[in-house]
Amino acid sequence: KNEVEQSPQNLTAQEGEFITINCSYSVGISALHWLQQHPGGGIVSLFMLSSGKKKHGRLIATINIQEKHSSLHITASHPRDSAVYICAVPRGTGNQFYFGTGTSLTVIP
Amino acid sequence: DGGITQSPKYLFRKEGQNVTLSCEQNLNHDAMYWYRQDPGQGLRLIYYSQIVNDFQKGDIAEGYSVSREKKESFPLTVTSAQKNPTAFYLCASSKRLAGLANTGELFFGEGSRLTVL
Repeated sequence: KNEVEQSPQNLTAQEGEFITINCSYSVGISALHWLQQHPGGGIVSLFMLSSGKKKHGRLIATINIQEKHSSLHITASHPRDSAVYICAVPRGTGNQFYFGTGTSLTVIP
Repeated sequence: DGGITQSPKYLFRKEGQNVTLSCEQNLNHDAMYWYRQDPGQGLRLIYYSQIVNDFQKGDIAEGYSVSREKKESFPLTVTSAQKNPTAFYLCASSKRLAGLANTGELFFGEGSRLTVL
């Protein structure tokens, strides 16, 4: 069993649609990370959150610690949002992480 | 601007050869990591280092070696002992927060794609 499960695995949306990507985890955590991997392969950190909600531009991340669940929302999606979105949670105390397998998002103009 | 630089971006290797992937950061981070990414799988940890002159094996260290002689550099050598080295390799770094578990943001390089011919 994977410690981090993401859904859906693949997602295709029309430009302008509201998008939700889900992440469930099975371990106790201090913070959860959302990462974006662009088509070239590089990864950037979008959010690190331990409670409630964070917003950055059109991206919103929420977390429910009791339910061990987090969601990443994209409002007014755009083709440049096409990427793989990865959820990660801490593992142990050595700055290590469990990573989800990612959600591949394609936004069509 | 601060960041992580990986090189080369693409690398081809013949079987039996060792190759070294470079990773340099100017973020003044103590912790550095090497991950391997294969299609359909999450990132897997190869090696990590929390401080200069110290590093630890991750989940899939066999066939790989690293060094941490300088704070800003963490090169990865893929040796001939690695049976299936074709993959995408990502280097990352984070601040080391002593006594706290995983509250540091991860910064990644652009990755290196290794293909064995």
